Amino acid sequence: GQQVMQIPQYQHVQEGEDFTTYCNSSTTLSNIQWYKQRPGGHPVFLIQLVKSGEVKKQKRLTFQFGEAKKNSSLHITATQTTDVGTYFCAVNTGGFKTIFGAGTRLFVKA
Amino acid sequence: NAGVTQTPKFRVLKTGQSMTLLCAQDMNHEYMYWYRQDPGMGLRLIHYSVGEGTTAKGEVPDGYNVSRLKKQNFLLGLESAAPSQTSVYFCASSLRQGYNEQFFGPGTRLTVL
Repeated sequence: GQQVMQIPQYQHVQEGEDFTTYCNSSTTLSNIQWYKQRPGGHPVFLIQLVKSGEVKKQKRLTFQFGEAKKNSSLHITATQTTDVGTYFCAVNTGGFKTIFGAGTRLFVKA
Repeated sequence: NAGVTQTPKFRVLKTGQSMTLLCAQDMNHEYMYWYRQDPGMGLRLIHYSVGEGTTAKGEVPDGYNVSRLKKQNFLLGLESAAPSQTSVYFCASSLRQGYNEQFFGPGTRLTVL
């Protein structure tokens, strides 16, 4: 079945450093979503990408969808302690099912 | 709007006991989902519903049953709990398929001894 590989599993950064997480699929995706989950919290939707090569920005966060629509990345510039949490990508398998990546847990040291 | 709510927040069961988790949403969403989250494994879809009266299996449906008698409610049942079902359970809802933003509830932390 549809699977998405997300790397790295976790990353420790110093506050002010950049951070990137990647999501890869073996099949072409119709769209991809990104969610953030704070420690002890629930996933919160960040963005959805649909078009090949699409790039979207939300303040310090930059989201990219690959040209072949098989991979995506989330880049955070100059991390802050408020960025701490786990970032998940999620893809639709067709129909109504959504498959989540295993997530990348971000630790930020002040 | 309360969004998506879940009850209970915490529960401890003994092996073989049964329980029902309740999810409610007040956003008039058609689609509702139940996920379980285990360390290092992300979110796995248990069951989902595309409308009142309809349910379907997700990735890991064994040991669970669901019902959606009312549009706003989605119930997850464990008939005979097992330690392997110790997890955090999240309910989510979305408006429609075309724009699939999912809204999550706060979660239920279940421990089966």
